[in-house]
Amino acid sequence: EVQLVESGGGLVKPGGSLRLSCAASGFSFSNAWMNWVRQAPGKGLEWVGRIKSKTDGGTTDYPAPVKGRFTISRDESKTTLYLQMNSLKTEDTAVYYCTADLISAAARDYWGQGTLVTVSS
Amino acid sequence: EIVLTQSPATLSLSPGERATLSCRASQSVSSYLAWYQQKPGQAPRLLIYDASNRATGIPARFSGSGSGTDFTLTISSLEPEDFAVYYCQQRSNWPPLYTFGQGTKLEIK
Repeated sequence: EVQLVESGGGLVKPGGSLRLSCAASGFSFSNAWMNWVRQAPGKGLEWVGRIKSKTDGGTTDYPAPVKGRFTISRDESKTTLYLQMNSLKTEDTAVYYCTADLISAAARDYWGQGTLVTVSS
Repeated sequence: EIVLTQSPATLSLSPGERATLSCRASQSVSSYLAWYQQKPGQAPRLLIYDASNRATGIPARFSGSGSGTDFTLTISSLEPEDFAVYYCQQRSNWPPLYTFGQGTKLEIK
């Protein structure tokens, strides 16, 4: 059974930092492209970034609102995905989901249950 | 940055009716377009990938079409469990940035 379990969310002050983790199991983590997606309260979905598999170069891409502040990394030995968030702003308040892109292998993707990050003074 | 515009913002239909949702891209995304369904309190679920391929386990009443800049999600006959918010997402290779549309809320009439 595929599982993605996010952790690390919480309350942080503007300008602060937070690191989210996503523990993955039940699939070939090393071959999966992984994403972070967020959803502000009552709003739509926003893609936060992606890291390719090591075999595809392990490179990362980010949209403009988080580029230079957020960093995605992965630990193959722990099958864990990370999102390091620095210089947090109030507009970063959202539920953060990690996703595993298994479309090529299984014609589907998987999402975690999400972790809430609240940026407030 | 590629912008996706979904229409309508809200669609009010009855069970058994046909639903047609639109997604327009600001520039060509070829066929790299996906559709998601999200119900309250749940993570999104992938319905369609590469514009017209149903994801694993998705009922045949869901279908996707289009290429380039104009895409459509069709639900042939609405079931009560289909009332939800639907998002399109582009996954073009260049620029290598995924973006979501703002969503269409499908509500019971």
